[in-house]
Amino acid sequence: NAGVTQTPKFQVLKTGQSMTLQCAQDMNHEYMSWYRQDPGMGLRLIHYSVGAGITDQGEVPNGYNVSRSTTEDFPLRLLSAAPSQTSVYFCASSSGTGTSGTDTQYFGPGTRLTVL
Amino acid sequence: GQQVMQIPQYQHVQEGEDFTTYCNSSTTLSNIQWYKQRPGGHPVFLIQLVKSGEVKKQKRLTFQFGEAKKNSSLHITATQTTDVGTYFCAGPPGTYKYIFGTGTRLKVLA
Repeated sequence: NAGVTQTPKFQVLKTGQSMTLQCAQDMNHEYMSWYRQDPGMGLRLIHYSVGAGITDQGEVPNGYNVSRSTTEDFPLRLLSAAPSQTSVYFCASSSGTGTSGTDTQYFGPGTRLTVL
Repeated sequence: GQQVMQIPQYQHVQEGEDFTTYCNSSTTLSNIQWYKQRPGGHPVFLIQLVKSGEVKKQKRLTFQFGEAKKNSSLHITATQTTDVGTYFCAGPPGTYKYIFGTGTRLKVLA
């Protein structure tokens, strides 16, 4: 049981490039989410999904796209990278919905992205 | 919009001293979670509180959820060097959308 995996661990992009951050979980969780964490800051929700085919925006969705074609995978796409998107990106999954008593969020190890 | 603030932002303590971080939300939360993030690591779930006024303990850690479900605290008794990290609270104002607090960075001096 690998939990939540993310690839790549590190990435450097030039302004204007696009890329996809991969996230996968093997716990059969319906809820998955993407966060970004800037230096010395908390985590901000980018997008989330409550099941295959269902996604919605979080606090800071601009410049990012997501899709959820399977329960296991939830990739995050940067459409045209900007220096303001330099951050650490965490993917998380949970079996709960936010109001139940079993909402443990399991985080992946993160992707450290630098946009030059 | 929804805000979750934590105080203090930083705390340095001598090993063996107690530590408390406070979490305050601008709106009522259906539940509150606490996470610990070691330097360079990812957030790790510690606990979830659901009921108004709830208190839970995990060894040296005591968690409280306020009566109005808008605030929470984490207290560590007799800190150890292994407690070093940043502690975050997080809560959903409704369903699905978790809002994370600003975090409290704890340093423990041996």
